[in-house]
Amino acid sequence: DTAVSQTPKYLVTQMGNDKSIKCEQNLGHDTMYWYKQDSKKFLKIMFSYNNKELIINETVPNRFSPKSPDKAHLNLHINSLELGDSAVYFCASSQGLVGETQYFGPGTRLLVL
Amino acid sequence: GQQLNQSPQSMFIQEGEDVSMNCTSSSIFNTWLWYKQDPGEGPVLLIALYKAGELTSNGRLTAQFGITRKDSFLNISASIPSDVGIYFCAGRQYNNNDMRFGAGTRLTVKP
Repeated sequence: DTAVSQTPKYLVTQMGNDKSIKCEQNLGHDTMYWYKQDSKKFLKIMFSYNNKELIINETVPNRFSPKSPDKAHLNLHINSLELGDSAVYFCASSQGLVGETQYFGPGTRLLVL
Repeated sequence: GQQLNQSPQSMFIQEGEDVSMNCTSSSIFNTWLWYKQDPGEGPVLLIALYKAGELTSNGRLTAQFGITRKDSFLNISASIPSDVGIYFCAGRQYNNNDMRFGAGTRLTVKP
């Protein structure tokens, strides 16, 4: 049973395209996150949603737009992809907001050519 | 945002050796977490610490929440080849849903 799943696992696309990454968790958690991991393996939070509402929006270009249709899903849509968007994107979830541990998905490896 | 300073950046050790890595910050954190990331996978939680001074073990792993709330360390005893991976510390401040990660410690274990 996969706790946090992401699709696709790999995504190779041309600069300027629009793409979406999907995330689903079956843990019954209230909060979901998107992280970006760069080539140096540094993990940085991008967004956080609690009960379908945006609660964290770090300094991320407007081209990135998260959407949470329900508590179990948090999708990430990226417009006008740029070379610098190439990275691994991780979805995570946690129960509650404060001091709760986060469980990560397997990651989506995005390569923009 | 407040970043965590994690060291060392990388370690090359022989199987059977003990390993120690740590994380420091100039700010206080109320939760410290240690994750391991295997190649091609997402980070997996190893140990969570919620109280200053807390010392917690998980098999061969031991982690401590520093008494000042500004640091944490992770020890791995009697390392084995499957310990290879990147270890991340992470900290969260109270009433803040934002979790900060260290830059990771890349561990290589030679058989």
